[in-house]
Amino acid sequence: ETGVTQTPRHLVMGMTNKKSLKCEQHLGHNAMYWYKQSAKKPLELMFVYSLEERVENNSVPSRFSPECPNSSHLFLHLHTLQPEDSALYLCASSQDLLQGWSPLHFGNGTRLTVT
Amino acid sequence: GQQVMQIPQYQHVQEGEDFTTYCNSSTTLSNIQWYKQRPGGHPVFLIQLVKSGEVKKQKRLTFQFGEAKKNSSLHITATQTTDVGTYFCAGYAGGTSYGKLTFGQGTILTVHP
Repeated sequence: ETGVTQTPRHLVMGMTNKKSLKCEQHLGHNAMYWYKQSAKKPLELMFVYSLEERVENNSVPSRFSPECPNSSHLFLHLHTLQPEDSALYLCASSQDLLQGWSPLHFGNGTRLTVT
Repeated sequence: GQQVMQIPQYQHVQEGEDFTTYCNSSTTLSNIQWYKQRPGGHPVFLIQLVKSGEVKKQKRLTFQFGEAKKNSSLHITATQTTDVGTYFCAGYAGGTSYGKLTFGQGTILTVHP
């Protein structure tokens, strides 16, 4: 049972749609992350938030828009996506950003398919 | 930028055989973490290595961090079917790379009963 909950588990959307992915962590952590996992590629860090403040934007296209209203919730707003954006999107949290010492706790992910 | 290479990409073993995956970084690491992802699941943290030459054990799993802090390995003794999954290493270079773990591409382990 993960302390990080992601919804929805699966999402199919057209290229003109707008949708949002939601992540909630129940671990009292201060840092939250979005990762993209594509087949045969390493996990790609997309965004990092610490205490609701974005500290890292890893050159992600503007069609992905993150939002962190508080330290427990993280959203990823999607619009005008491309088929190559189809992937597993993983949310993670960690106690803090202490120079990478804190292990990541991942959610179950949202399997996104862009048609 | 920093790169972390992991080999092999795939490994098929018979139950009871040993298994090793290797991780090499293009830069010296501050620490390295290992994760396991079961098929259809999400990555789960296994362990973190910090010191040069460090060796840690978890039951049948042995983790090593190289003397130069640029490579690491995970060795599983006498694999079981429950060991099936993808094993990832993730390195942290330190400095101002806040939260920026660089993951290897993973080794997919299949265990045949």
